[in-house]
Amino acid sequence: SQTIHQWPATLVQPVGSPLSLECTVEGTSNPNLYWYRQAAGRGLQLLFYSVGIGQISSEVPQNLSASRPQDRQFILSSKKLLLSDSGFYLCAWSVQDHQPQHFGDGTRLSIL
Amino acid sequence: DQQVKQNSPSLSVQEGRISILNCDYTNSMFDYFLWYKKYPAEGPTFLISISSIKDKNEDGRFTVFLNKSAKHLSLHIVPSQPGDSAVYFCAASGGIAGKSTFGDGTTLTVKP
Repeated sequence: SQTIHQWPATLVQPVGSPLSLECTVEGTSNPNLYWYRQAAGRGLQLLFYSVGIGQISSEVPQNLSASRPQDRQFILSSKKLLLSDSGFYLCAWSVQDHQPQHFGDGTRLSIL
Repeated sequence: DQQVKQNSPSLSVQEGRISILNCDYTNSMFDYFLWYKKYPAEGPTFLISISSIKDKNEDGRFTVFLNKSAKHLSLHIVPSQPGDSAVYFCAASGGIAGKSTFGDGTTLTVKP
């Protein structure tokens, strides 16, 4: 069966520090991969998606970047975190278009 | 401009009664609609979906209705159970990579 792993579960970082959140999927090949952010009381905002290795599309201009170095690995990064980067970050995968997305348990990021 | 709207932030129903959660969308290009359920500190889990070629899809206690002319969909839960208490997100997709646009969610509380 397919599983998705996302870590860490919580992270507290100072303003201006770098960020790296990792997500890996097991049990499937060539999945679509997604990074979302959820602000308090709001829906999920799509940040990045990828349909293949090295193929990254950005939805929202911001302080973050994403990379897909391997087929089932998706990384969210920042060189210098801002206070506004605080939030709940979710990684997801889907088999193909018009299929449900399957989410990791998320990372709660707090910037101090 | 929010393309998927859930106008009710919260809903409270009695156990055994029907829960009806509503969602409106504005983008005519959306052709696949999903409902996700989310517990605190977890990622959303897929609940039920419907394609734009249908107007109803049923799965056990959960039924989703789609009214394309009104750009409206709803999720019915019958009978509601306390374990259904969660945040429910409506999502719509269409186009590239199955990207989904999420509403802000409705918090459902089912009282015993």
